[in-house]
Amino acid sequence: SQELEQSPQSLIVQEGKNLTINCTSSKTLYGLYWYKQKYGEGLIFLMMLQKGGEEKSHEKITAKLDEKKQQSSLHITASQPSHAGIYLCGADKWGLTGGGNKLTFGTGTQLKVEL
Amino acid sequence: EPEVTQTPSHQVTQMGQEVILRCVPISNHLYFYWYRQILGQKVEFLVSFYNNEISEKSEIFDDQFSVERPDGSNFTLKIRSTKLEDSAMYFCASSEAWGPYEQYFGPGTRLTVT
Repeated sequence: SQELEQSPQSLIVQEGKNLTINCTSSKTLYGLYWYKQKYGEGLIFLMMLQKGGEEKSHEKITAKLDEKKQQSSLHITASQPSHAGIYLCGADKWGLTGGGNKLTFGTGTQLKVEL
Repeated sequence: EPEVTQTPSHQVTQMGQEVILRCVPISNHLYFYWYRQILGQKVEFLVSFYNNEISEKSEIFDDQFSVERPDGSNFTLKIRSTKLEDSAMYFCASSEAWGPYEQYFGPGTRLTVT
């Protein structure tokens, strides 16, 4: 089965600093999803990447998919306290035989932004 | 903005009791899911549902679990005889179609089994 490892596990940055979170898969990545979760709350959809080399941005968050490295990265520019939370990557099974919408999630990265 | 809603937000039940967790997916979505997250662990897939049938289920989703779409708006997860290890946050999600589409998650129901 596919395993997703995220690094770092936790991150504390000062407001205004840039940061990167990585998601590495044990198998080929097809669809890769990024979500944000506040402690004890639901998952908020951020972005979905489907093709190797694809890059998407929303406000100050940019995500990239490196198919060859079986890795995706999430980059936040000029972090703000509102960026604090747990970032989760998830992978679907499209591209595998049989496909499927089931998402397998990573271990999560907890981000704290200090003033 | 349309969103997935879930009720109740928190459910406490005794071991062996039946619980029903409720979800209202986004209205034009056709695929529905349940995931769970045990405290401190990963979010895990339980089941996907389309056209009144289970599309896929995980090994967690055994005979104690069932899902239903009782009407045009609700989607439910039933646990027949709860165990201590069922204590978790349960998330409902929905997506527009079958394929690589965004899955939108609800706020979750925290189930505590005592």
